[in-house]
Amino acid sequence: AQSVTQLGSHVSVSEGALVLLRCNYSSSVPPYLFWYVQYPNQGLQLLLKYTSAATLVKGINGFEAEFKKSETSFHLTKPSAHMSDAAEYFCAVSDQGGTYKYIFGTGTRLKVLA
Amino acid sequence: DADVTQTPRNRITKTGKRIMLECSQTKGHDRMYWYRQDPGLGLQLIYYSFDVKDINKGEISDGYSVSRQAQAKFSLSLESAIPNQTALYFCATSQTTGELFFGEGSRLTVL
Repeated sequence: AQSVTQLGSHVSVSEGALVLLRCNYSSSVPPYLFWYVQYPNQGLQLLLKYTSAATLVKGINGFEAEFKKSETSFHLTKPSAHMSDAAEYFCAVSDQGGTYKYIFGTGTRLKVLA
Repeated sequence: DADVTQTPRNRITKTGKRIMLECSQTKGHDRMYWYRQDPGLGLQLIYYSFDVKDINKGEISDGYSVSRQAQAKFSLSLESAIPNQTALYFCATSQTTGELFFGEGSRLTVL
């Protein structure tokens, strides 16, 4: 069975500081991995996805994530936080086998301090 | 216009009432999903449909039913709403590339 764990339900960083949001997954089959962002009163938007190509994935708004199979991790980073990055972030996993059932983490709310 | 449109965006209803949430999409995707979001729990899958004739239960389907009226339309019904179904509901679509495309959500409050 697949699962996703996001460490830290709330993360605060100063504007200009590194953003690191953690995601660990378990999957018995090669996974697809995703990061989504949710701004207030909006649906989820895709930030980036890993689909077994390059292990370092670059997404929108300067975010990137690295797939590390040995650590079963897919942490999200951004070198310099901006106030507009304040949102909730969700990591998700699905299998490549065609069922495309997605398992979501419980989310990390990012606060950016001026 | 949004690619995935949900109606209504907000609804307040009373216990025991029947409620339908509607979803339509212009992306041409075969796969459609209904999720429920509760604070601290992430998103939980209620139902999913891979085409008009294929409907499947998700993790939390009890108390819910769905109808796939066409490739572009997927509605979620609560036959007899109860307060613990108060939540934010999302419709989503996907294609074989794997990523989900979400609507803006329907906030349901059951009193």
